[in-house]
Amino acid sequence: EADIYQTPRYLVIGTGKKITLECSQTMGHDKMYWYQQDPGMELHLIHYSYGVNSTEKGDLSSESTVSRIRTEHFPLTLESARPSHTSQYLCASSDLGGRADTQYFGPGTRLTVL
Amino acid sequence: GDSVTQMEGPVTLSEEAFLTINCTYTATGYPSLFWYVQYPGEGLQLLLKATKADDKGSNKGFEATYRKETTSFHLEKGSVQVSDSAVYFCALRGAYSGAGSYQLTFGKGTKLSVIP
Repeated sequence: EADIYQTPRYLVIGTGKKITLECSQTMGHDKMYWYQQDPGMELHLIHYSYGVNSTEKGDLSSESTVSRIRTEHFPLTLESARPSHTSQYLCASSDLGGRADTQYFGPGTRLTVL
Repeated sequence: GDSVTQMEGPVTLSEEAFLTINCTYTATGYPSLFWYVQYPGEGLQLLLKATKADDKGSNKGFEATYRKETTSFHLEKGSVQVSDSAVYFCALRGAYSGAGSYQLTFGKGTKLSVIP
């Protein structure tokens, strides 16, 4: 059983607010990821990190930013939320390199921006 | 680049019916292949995986065989239950190629509904 946590699970906010989505894992994994899942269920990688002080943008351009100051923590921040940011955000982590690398997912944060 | 194509849903089956969800892929080299499941209101869970050709992944009655000759990794279950209702994602992890190589490429997901 993977131990990766996301808070809040649900968030409804108004346009222009700054928000931070939290993601923590207790498995000591070096690699962490943020995905955006659209209503059609498709997953899009928006950020990833290979370790402390390492962050990269994913395939889908996003106005959000991330930081990785501690191994276990990978928060995502939106400086000014807009209705177009309404989506489900999934955090994941993995440890093993090589062919068996498996990503473990958190339960997700469902964000609604009014 | 890498890509994964899986059958479009939604798929609706009666309890105890046979399930097949097709998945084909395009990748260079020899990718590892995965099936993830997402239950309503939850994140993704790894269902099964295979790391080389002819490997069979299995878990909870689900099976998938890595077929290099047909570039496929179809998911099957002999007798589905109502509790199997979920969204199923096929994914691949390509060969190492430097920064960014640890990313998974996902299919678009197939929603399965099992009715009593």
